[in-house]
Amino acid sequence: DTGVSQDPRHKITKRGQNVTFRCDPISEHNRLYWYRQTLGQGPEFLTYFQNEAQLEKSRLLSNRFSAERPKGSFSTLEIQRTEQGDSAMYLCASSPGQTPGYGYTFGSGTRLTVV
Amino acid sequence: GNSVTQMEGPVTLSEEAFLTINCTYTATGYPSLFWYVQYPGEGLQLLLKATKADDKGSNKGFEATYRKETTSFHLEKGSVQVSDSAVYFCALSASSGPSGSARQLTFGSGTQLTVLP
Repeated sequence: DTGVSQDPRHKITKRGQNVTFRCDPISEHNRLYWYRQTLGQGPEFLTYFQNEAQLEKSRLLSNRFSAERPKGSFSTLEIQRTEQGDSAMYLCASSPGQTPGYGYTFGSGTRLTVV
Repeated sequence: GNSVTQMEGPVTLSEEAFLTINCTYTATGYPSLFWYVQYPGEGLQLLLKATKADDKGSNKGFEATYRKETTSFHLEKGSVQVSDSAVYFCALSASSGPSGSARQLTFGSGTQLTVLP
């Protein structure tokens, strides 16, 4: 296990379609995060899991977005009825512990383009 | 709320020049501070971190010191290389208290660094 894996790397979809992204964290990490990064900006927090429990959601996560982490392993992020404003890089990160000093390991991201 | 303000880019330097990228923050609680680097087409990589006031994080010749009195965490490198060309993000993770658990990261907007040979 060498890092956080995200699939697919790129996704082009038509407006109104549903898309789903997958994240496989580092296996011993119990915390998993989703972030969104638009061009020229830093990543923005979307949601956070500790094991299988979704503990925090950002106001950015509209009701068209849903995330799951069944069995506390991989996670999926689904966007329903995509809009052009959803075009962004979606980043997944995982973290092993509770102490503030732990950095997060990020995946390479899924770049979504809505046309 | 928590926020991070970074020096705007882009920054262009010649190889072996001195680099400073300014970062200041606003946070409640006891934040940990981070610098992440993003190379073209890749995800973010942790460059260095500091968890309490006066800590100095260092890695690959880069350094940053956690200055609570000025709420700053400026990134420095004495001699940059072409391979350092990337986007650099300052970030904080604010715990809920001295023994609280870290949650989400709050990022600055990033600084694009280009190093010319």
